[in-house]
Amino acid sequence: DAKTTQPNSMESNEEEPVHLPCNHSTISGTDYIHWYRQLPSQGPEYVIHGLTSNVNNRMASLAIAEDRKSSTLILHRATLRDAAVYYCILRDGTSGSRLTFGEGTQLTVNP
Amino acid sequence: SQTIHQWPATLVQPVGSPLSLECTVEGTSNPNLYWYRQAAGRGLQLLFYSVGIGQISSEVPQNLSASRPQDRQFILSSKKLLLSDSGFYLCACRRGNQPQHFGDGTRLSIL
Repeated sequence: DAKTTQPNSMESNEEEPVHLPCNHSTISGTDYIHWYRQLPSQGPEYVIHGLTSNVNNRMASLAIAEDRKSSTLILHRATLRDAAVYYCILRDGTSGSRLTFGEGTQLTVNP
Repeated sequence: SQTIHQWPATLVQPVGSPLSLECTVEGTSNPNLYWYRQAAGRGLQLLFYSVGIGQISSEVPQNLSASRPQDRQFILSSKKLLLSDSGFYLCACRRGNQPQHFGDGTRLSIL
């Protein structure tokens, strides 16, 4: 499985945008970029995923670099409920049925 | 939409005792099912996954086993628990190319 690299932690202020980076320099052409987040004492929650084009949904936006070697999860207005560990994961769209989780980024949102 | 039921939410067991954690899925059929373990402050480690009834793949050698007696039932077991089996156990499911969904987990403490 291709590896992703994320900062261990980030801080943001409430109601400000947050940009969470992820590097995946060994990504293959069939790997989808998935983002999950995990609140304390809960299972991970799906946030968004994409392949090549930028993606938007009600939770967040995903900006994917043109060479696909990095991506950024964008929370447009952080709330206190967005404080969580955010995981960037690659999944092979052809044969991969597994998600390999790294350590993720702990996002702290200050009031 | 898929719903994953895991119980119990917390469990305290003595070393050497047996274990049985059950996961059931609603709202889908023939899903891929997964068991993960998460140590405190760490990412998720995939333990087992199953693509169908009676089909189990083990990701890491360990003291645990898994079974899938029915399409939407996934069981994690141990005959004799070790201290190192402590952790947060998460069941997940995925159908086709949809995102993976997680249960709320079982926090297992071994004394």
